[in-house]
Amino acid sequence: GAGVSQSPSNKVTEKGKDVELRCDPISGHTALYWYRQSLGQGLEFLIYFQGNSAPDKSGLPSDRFSAERTGGSVSTLTIQRTQQEDSAVYLCASSFERGVKETQYFGPGTRLLVL
Amino acid sequence: AQSVTQPDIHITVSEGASLELRCNYSYGATPYLFWYVQSPGQGLQLLLKYFSGDTLVQGIKGFEAEFKRSQSSFNLRKPSVHWSDAAEYFCAVQGGADGLTFGKGTHLIIQP
Repeated sequence: GAGVSQSPSNKVTEKGKDVELRCDPISGHTALYWYRQSLGQGLEFLIYFQGNSAPDKSGLPSDRFSAERTGGSVSTLTIQRTQQEDSAVYLCASSFERGVKETQYFGPGTRLLVL
Repeated sequence: AQSVTQPDIHITVSEGASLELRCNYSYGATPYLFWYVQSPGQGLQLLLKYFSGDTLVQGIKGFEAEFKRSQSSFNLRKPSVHWSDAAEYFCAVQGGADGLTFGKGTHLIIQP
């Protein structure tokens, strides 16, 4: 069956530009998670959605980062005015429900390079 | 707040030899523990997970892990590694119903 998909797989942008990263979760999964993987920080949890709601946005690195989810499915992570320190791999994961015993299934990631 | 430590950044093992990757966690209550593997250019694949019960858990690809509460450890093992096991391995803990907290990862190199 189809897994979590992310697009684009690679994105190169110039400092100061806005970027949108997309995540398509596994069909029927109500919970969706965004992570960032960088050399300096390792794997960091950014934000999760239960349905279309993101109760806690405190994990987002700065106010340039925002995320939304529509229709309980696709999610976009938007980075405004990108900086070089935003260069990283952005991973999306989904699970059937939100809960400590729910396995998170990861997508292949979007590799973002800010020049 | 929970945390995960993977003491070994790199490990080199000969093909056919046994493997143990170390993971220590810090969490005040019952932890939910995971091992994920990431091959180059790939996303994270779940190898195994521990929630409760038997402290020795079996996973995919011949991996197993043992939960030791007294040592706050959840080490990953495999009796005989294959060249295809070369990858990055991440231990993770989930304390709440939110995101996973990952260790920094261990890079596994397989020598022929």
